[in-house]
Amino acid sequence: AQKVTQAQTEISVVEKEDVTLDCVYETRDTTYYLFWYKQPPSGELVFLIRRNSFDEQNEISGRYSWNFQKSTSSFNFTITASQVVDSAVYFCALTPYSGAGSYQLTFGKGTKLSVIP
Amino acid sequence: NAGVTQTPKFQVLKTGQSMTLQCAQDMNHEYMSWYRQDPGMGLRLIHYSVGAGITDQGEVPNGYNVSRSTTEDFPLRLLSAAPSQTSVYFCASSPGLAGEGRRDEQYFGPGTRLTVT
Repeated sequence: AQKVTQAQTEISVVEKEDVTLDCVYETRDTTYYLFWYKQPPSGELVFLIRRNSFDEQNEISGRYSWNFQKSTSSFNFTITASQVVDSAVYFCALTPYSGAGSYQLTFGKGTKLSVIP
Repeated sequence: NAGVTQTPKFQVLKTGQSMTLQCAQDMNHEYMSWYRQDPGMGLRLIHYSVGAGITDQGEVPNGYNVSRSTTEDFPLRLLSAAPSQTSVYFCASSPGLAGEGRRDEQYFGPGTRLTVT
């Protein structure tokens, strides 16, 4: 069975602060994918990143960065210099790397980020 | 391409009524799935399909039926709506081996907000 835990239910930061969203996962699969999605107040799901388990390089995309640590089963997401437009619910998710299960996302419960101007 | 479309956007049902949530994609994606999103619960998989004619249950299938007669369409049927089915429903698709887009990425529709009174 797979499980994704996002222990932070809600976070509030003041604009321009850095913020890290935590994600811890459990899986018996040796290879898997990890994802982050953003859900703004408008409700749609926006894909942010996919990381496969055999690539432990950290990734940076503009103000966003992701820290994948297989040893601690964590895939944390950092927003640098936060902006009001970053206010959203962020979901971490997991799938096996192959087979029919690779299309079935297991989501965490989400972290609601509020960026205060 | 329209991507993944869902209709209706909003729906109110009375307990015991039936209805079908529509989902369509025009990207020739093999894989389609339905998730429900409840407050504080993240998204949970209801049913999925790995191709036309093939469907299977996800984590929370009770009270829902699906069929996949064409590659493009994957309707979700509520046979007798219950207040516990009040939720936001998301349809998603993924290319598999032949469709458009990244094989390992899920493309989400805009969601249907369902209220059962």
